[in-house]
Amino acid sequence: DAGVIQSPRHEVTEMGQEVTLRCKPISGHNSLFWYRQTMMRGLELLIYFNNNVPIDDSGMPEDRFSAKMPNASFSTLKIQPSEPRDSAVYFCASSLVLAEETQYFGPGTRLLVL
Amino acid sequence: AQSVAQPEDQVNVAEGNPLTVKCTYSVSGNPYLFWYVQYPNRGLQFLLKYITGDNLVKGSYGFEAEFNKSQTSFHLKKPSALVSDSALYFCAVSPFFGGYNKLIFGAGTRLAVHP
Repeated sequence: DAGVIQSPRHEVTEMGQEVTLRCKPISGHNSLFWYRQTMMRGLELLIYFNNNVPIDDSGMPEDRFSAKMPNASFSTLKIQPSEPRDSAVYFCASSLVLAEETQYFGPGTRLLVL
Repeated sequence: AQSVAQPEDQVNVAEGNPLTVKCTYSVSGNPYLFWYVQYPNRGLQFLLKYITGDNLVKGSYGFEAEFNKSQTSFHLKKPSALVSDSALYFCAVSPFFGGYNKLIFGAGTRLAVHP
């Protein structure tokens, strides 16, 4: 299995631009998570999908952030407009749904907003 | 409030010596416990987890962890450290409710193994 796939791996953009991050979960997994990692705040859960439906988006920082999962094999995290404080590494993870199941992480997208 | 504490920002160990990375948690009920490792510029990699049964759990790369319910701890251990073990280690807990495997992560502990 290829594991969780994320693209792009690196993104540099200017403040005010729209940024779209993409994720392909492991085939057969029905839970998908988006995380953000920064030095200051550590690893934060942004949003969780179960069977393509957003279940918990309490971690989404503000309305500039949105996430979609149109089908079981694809999810996007969009930031519009982007700001320098959004600079971070964004991870996608997938798993089976039960509480004891392991989450498997993608390699991350390193975002720099100038 | 549910939380995970990793009391040490960094642990320094000489190669060949045993290592321990500490983790305590505050969660109601019987949680599931996980350890992940993150190498530079990489995603988090799963090491091991405790679900039920034997309190000593064995995982990848020779790591093991001991679940202690009375002390609400889940310390990561390895008998003999390697320089290649140097990385950032995260403890995480999955509170057992509603079948939702949301993970609460600790802040991470940086392990430095010196030759």
